[in-house]
Amino acid sequence: AAGVIQSPRHLIKEKRETATLKCYPIPRHDTVYWYQQGPGQDPQFLISFYEKMQSDKGSIPDRFSAQQFSDYHSELNMSSLELGDSALYFCASSKTSGGGKNIQYFGAGTRLSVL
Amino acid sequence: DQQVKQNSPSLSVQEGRISILNCDYTNSMFDYFLWYKKYPAEGPTFLISISSIKDKNEDGRFTVFLNKSAKHLSLHIVPSQPGDSAVYFCAASAFKAAGNKLTFGGGTRVLVKP
Repeated sequence: AAGVIQSPRHLIKEKRETATLKCYPIPRHDTVYWYQQGPGQDPQFLISFYEKMQSDKGSIPDRFSAQQFSDYHSELNMSSLELGDSALYFCASSKTSGGGKNIQYFGAGTRLSVL
Repeated sequence: DQQVKQNSPSLSVQEGRISILNCDYTNSMFDYFLWYKKYPAEGPTFLISISSIKDKNEDGRFTVFLNKSAKHLSLHIVPSQPGDSAVYFCAASAFKAAGNKLTFGGGTRVLVKP
């Protein structure tokens, strides 16, 4: 079965550079989520999109932006990178169903290293 | 303020025995709970979930118990296998029409010894 695809898997950037992370959700899933996991930490919610509209926003820095395109893939754009942005970035997708059931399926993640 | 807590950072269990992982939450708006398993350098893999209207859900070797009054859930793995060695995350969400973000606990590292 198709899973969530994230690219690139690894990314090395210098401080103050920009980075773009891509996410391709499971086919027919309508919601995409972005999470950040720092070293030794649990995943923290950044932002989500439902049917190409932003549906929720978490602790996402103003330097970051994201969008979901007509083909449902999503991109997380990160500018003015800081050392503290070094983390694993996970994308997840889900198919909205009634009753609050919300199983999110995660991609393998993008490891961003800011030097 | 951590709304989902896994107070045991690690657990060691013998192969064939039961693994019990615990999770506590504080937000009474949470109505859906999930357990994920994570290997290093991989994304979290969904294991099992439970809605707040239930107190138990079972899927093969995995059973999740929910005690709403205590705001506590647990994951039982029986029998434990060496391949179960991983980090397990408890996660919770509160119902929205769409885009229910997950709030994760800190994880419990499980080691199953042969």
